[in-house]
Amino acid sequence: AQSVSQHNHHVILSEAASLELGCNYSYGGTVNLFWYVQYPGQHLQLLLKYFSGDPLVKGIKGFEAEFIKSKFSFNLRKPSVQWSDTAEYFCAVTPYGNNRLAFGKGNQVVVIP
Amino acid sequence: DTEVTQTPKHLVMGMTNKKSLKCEQHMGHRAMYWYKQKAKKPPELMFVYSYEKLSINESVPSRFSPECPNSSLLNLHLHALQPEDSALYLCASSQDVLANYNEQFFGPGTRLTVL
Repeated sequence: AQSVSQHNHHVILSEAASLELGCNYSYGGTVNLFWYVQYPGQHLQLLLKYFSGDPLVKGIKGFEAEFIKSKFSFNLRKPSVQWSDTAEYFCAVTPYGNNRLAFGKGNQVVVIP
Repeated sequence: DTEVTQTPKHLVMGMTNKKSLKCEQHMGHRAMYWYKQKAKKPPELMFVYSYEKLSINESVPSRFSPECPNSSLLNLHLHALQPEDSALYLCASSQDVLANYNEQFFGPGTRLTVL
């Protein structure tokens, strides 16, 4: 079964700082990759996804992620965060032709105004 | 319409009550899911329905009983729950369980409190 690792569970940074969240997965085959965000008290929202093609994907709210196949990684980035980016961020993976969505443990991001 | 709806938004129930959670989607998806999410934790898969048939039960206790009356609706029947079952229950849907590009769309969830 695939597994997903997210490190640095708690991240605290100031507004305008850059954010990078790491995501590594363990699965040898072709995968679909996702980043979800959950704002305080709200439901899961899809930030961005990678299915195939250009490994650099752009999502909503200025987020982007890069798929590096050789490193089994799908790191999330945002050049300049805002207070409203305070949220829990989950990386998730599902293999091709499989419906089991494996989530990482999440990153709690707090942006200080 | 790319929305998954869930009712109710909040539910408080006693350990002897029977209640149901409802989920609906009108995207023509043939796979629907129930997840349980505790605070500050990732969602945990409970059940998967594929073409209205239960395809995955992740060893969920029998006090949780899923039902898929048709391709747009998914219910979760609750009976004799425990306080530790208090959580956010998320419904999701996707096009097909075996599609290569299988994106799951999540509903807003039902926040359940068991007293």
